[in-house]
Amino acid sequence: GENVEQHPSTLSVQEGDSAVIKCTYSDSASNYFPWYKQELGKRPQLIIDIRSNVGEKKDQRIAVTLNKTAKHFSLHITETQPEDSAVYFCAASSGDYKLSFGAGTTVTVRA
Amino acid sequence: NAGVTQTPKFQVLKTGQSMTLQCAQDMNHNSMYWYRQDPGMGLRLIYYSASEGTTDKGEVPNGYNVSRLNKREFSLRLESAAPSQTSVYFCAGGLGYGYTFGSGTRLTVV
Repeated sequence: GENVEQHPSTLSVQEGDSAVIKCTYSDSASNYFPWYKQELGKRPQLIIDIRSNVGEKKDQRIAVTLNKTAKHFSLHITETQPEDSAVYFCAASSGDYKLSFGAGTTVTVRA
Repeated sequence: NAGVTQTPKFQVLKTGQSMTLQCAQDMNHNSMYWYRQDPGMGLRLIYYSASEGTTDKGEVPNGYNVSRLNKREFSLRLESAAPSQTSVYFCAGGLGYGYTFGSGTRLTVV
């Protein structure tokens, strides 16, 4: 099955700086890569996703890049704000049904 | 339109007790899933149901059973709870192209 690895496990950034989270996947058939944000005590919520026919996607301060050859994808958050503090999960799917998740990155934005 | 609803939100069980976690969705999803979340381990798939009447094991199915009662409802049962099943459980609906999660059940087995 799919194996998704995520790094780093924790990330502390100064407000206004950028944050980058990296993930690798093992199954070359995977073609959909979403990112979820989970605030403390809340459910994971989809913040951005990318499909294998696209190399980069942006939505305001967040962007995701995908390198299918190297089987890795990354989340970039620019101009970080206190409300960006949360746990972020990457995931991969071959589009059938199941998502395989990374272990998560706890992001703390220091004021 | 509630999305995906889970009950209960919190539960404490004694070792060996049984219980059923309930999940219902009103989004007309064919596929539903049960995940558990443990610190440092992300979300791990317990069981999933690709469509009404079908269920399949995920990554960590031992100690659990599921029932897809109809298109709306997908329940998770612990027959004999163990401390290792202390976790936060999330139900989700949707395809691999985007899930909607329930609000979670925090289960403690003592």
